[in-house]
Amino acid sequence: QKEVEQNSGPLSVPEGAIASLNCTYSDRGSQSFFWYRQYSGKSPELIMSIYSNGDKEDGRFTAQLNKASQYVSLLIRDSQPSDSATYLCAASYNFNKFYFGSGTKLNVKP
Amino acid sequence: DTGVSQDPRHKITKRGQNVTFRCDPISEHNRLYWYRQTLGQGPEFLTYFQNEAQLEKSRLLSDRFSAERPKGSFSTLEIQRTEQGDSAMYLCASSSSGTAQETQYFGPGTRLLVL
Repeated sequence: QKEVEQNSGPLSVPEGAIASLNCTYSDRGSQSFFWYRQYSGKSPELIMSIYSNGDKEDGRFTAQLNKASQYVSLLIRDSQPSDSATYLCAASYNFNKFYFGSGTKLNVKP
Repeated sequence: DTGVSQDPRHKITKRGQNVTFRCDPISEHNRLYWYRQTLGQGPEFLTYFQNEAQLEKSRLLSDRFSAERPKGSFSTLEIQRTEQGDSAMYLCASSSSGTAQETQYFGPGTRLLVL
């Protein structure tokens, strides 16, 4: 079992819709969670970090964390074609080691 | 800040050769990470430095891999006796402890092809 699991997709949504990306993790000791966006051929870039149960909003992005269910999600509102990328979920216990999921490919259709 | 830089960007080598990659983190970032990423997978953690101390090393890392960060600034990753399975993108990331988000900034990566 991988430390962080994601559906590989692709997830296709029309422009303007809400994209919902999900992630589960196996280590209950994980304390910090991250969503990265990776365009093809590029390096990952951080979108959101979340440390506490509940929701965290930043612009069109909302991260949700449920530690009891070991579940992290990312909502992208008003999806744009430029949001088309692979989204990586990551978990860390103490910032000494990060576990990444295999990523979910998102396609936003104009 | 000019961002995290990595050198070389591409490396082609023959099986059995040794290769060394360099990472220059964002200045004054004390945390430095090495990852390996293959097609269709997320980055796989290899090792972590805080300043010059190597504090974490993946169990998946064989003895052929070694990393250093001698003065707490740049870091090198060496692969000895390369194998075809070592072909991957090698990513370096840095961050600063004590900041609000502990944001990791990734370098552009070194793409390794072992023939």
